[in-house]
This record gives sequence, structure tokens and C-alpha cells, in this order.
Amino acid sequence: AQRVTQPEKLLSVFKGAPVELKCNYSYSGSPELFWYVQYSRQRLQLLLRHISRESIKGFTADLNKGETSFHLKKPFAQEEDSAMYYCALGAGTASKLTFGTGTRLQVTL
Amino acid sequence: DGGITQSPKYLFRKEGQNVTLSCEQNLNHDAMYWYRQDPGQGLRLIYYSQIVNDFQKGDIAEGYSVSREKKESFPLTVTSAQKNPTAFYLCASSMGPQGRQHNEQFFGPGTRLTVL
Repeated sequence: AQRVTQPEKLLSVFKGAPVELKCNYSYSGSPELFWYVQYSRQRLQLLLRHISRESIKGFTADLNKGETSFHLKKPFAQEEDSAMYYCALGAGTASKLTFGTGTRLQVTL
Repeated sequence: DGGITQSPKYLFRKEGQNVTLSCEQNLNHDAMYWYRQDPGQGLRLIYYSQIVNDFQKGDIAEGYSVSREKKESFPLTVTSAQKNPTAFYLCASSMGPQGRQHNEQFFGPGTRLTVL
């Protein structure tokens, strides 16, 4: 069975500090990993996906198959990064995703 | 104006009543999904449909039912058999799976259901 673990419910950092949101997954096959973000009063939306290997809003995430992790990182946090972040796993040929429980990022001055 | 819409935004139900949540999309997406979002539990998949007239149970399908008679519409019925229906419900859609690649899911604004 597929599973996504986000160990932190809340991560509070100061503006300008580095950010790392942790995500670990369990899946025996070849996974696809995603990060979705939900800003206050906005819809849940895709932030980035591992196959794109791109940086969005300064965020990056590298798939580490050895550690089964897909941590989200940003070198310098901004106030506008405050949001709820969900890691998601796509597995097999079905289109469904398995989401983690989410981490709320709070960036303070 | 393209997108995915859900109605109503807020819904109140008495115990023992069935209620249907609406989800419509004009993105020409093949696949549609229903999630339940509870504090501390993230998003849990209720049902999904990869094509018209076909749907599959997700992780927490008990007490829910769906239909997919049209590509644009994927209504969710919360039945009286659902033990704890008070929650925030999210609908999403995506292009169908392309080989082993999963496509981006686009989410609606959600419906908050409260059982009185």
C-alpha cells in the first residue's frame, strides 16, 4: 500500500531563514511525487512535481529513492510562503494520488 | 471562464438525511475525484472516476456514493450511513493518466458540510 508521511504539523521559521518541509513515502514501485500548497482563502494548487525538476517560487524538491524522501526546500523564507503544504504520491497506472497529512508553514518577522 | 466549481459552499444536514454535493468542471478533464479534508488528517480520497460511467472506491468510501453520467459532472452523495459526515469536501479533476505519468489535479473551492 502507498503511504505518505509528513512528520511536522506545524513549522515556524523567521523570514529569511531556510525552510525544509519533510516528506517520506512508502511504495515499492516507481513513484511520482508532488507538492501541493493551499494559501489562506485560496484553492489547493500544485506547487511542483519531481519529474519537472524545476524551482517554483524559490522552492525545490529532490526525489531521493534511497531514503524514500521528497523534502521541500527554500533557502530564504518569505512571509508569502505561509500556507499549508501537502506532499502527494502517484503510484501505478491509476490517476489517483495519496496525500500526506500536511504541514502548516508559518513565516514570522 | 474555465475551472472547477462546487456547490453549495456551506451545507447543513440533519442526522438521518442524505445530501448531495455538486461538482462541475469545464476543463474537458477525463478524471475526477472527491476528497475529504479533516484537521490533522490531510486529504483522504473518497471516490474517483477516470472516465465517464466508471468510478472506483477510494480509501474511505463507506457511507458515500457517486455517479459519473456526464464528463463534466461528478456529484457526491453523503448518505445517512456515514458515521461522521461533518467535514470539508474537495472535488478535483485532471486529465486522464498518460502511461505512467500522473497529471496535475485541479481543485474546487470546497463544500463545508455540517450535520446538526
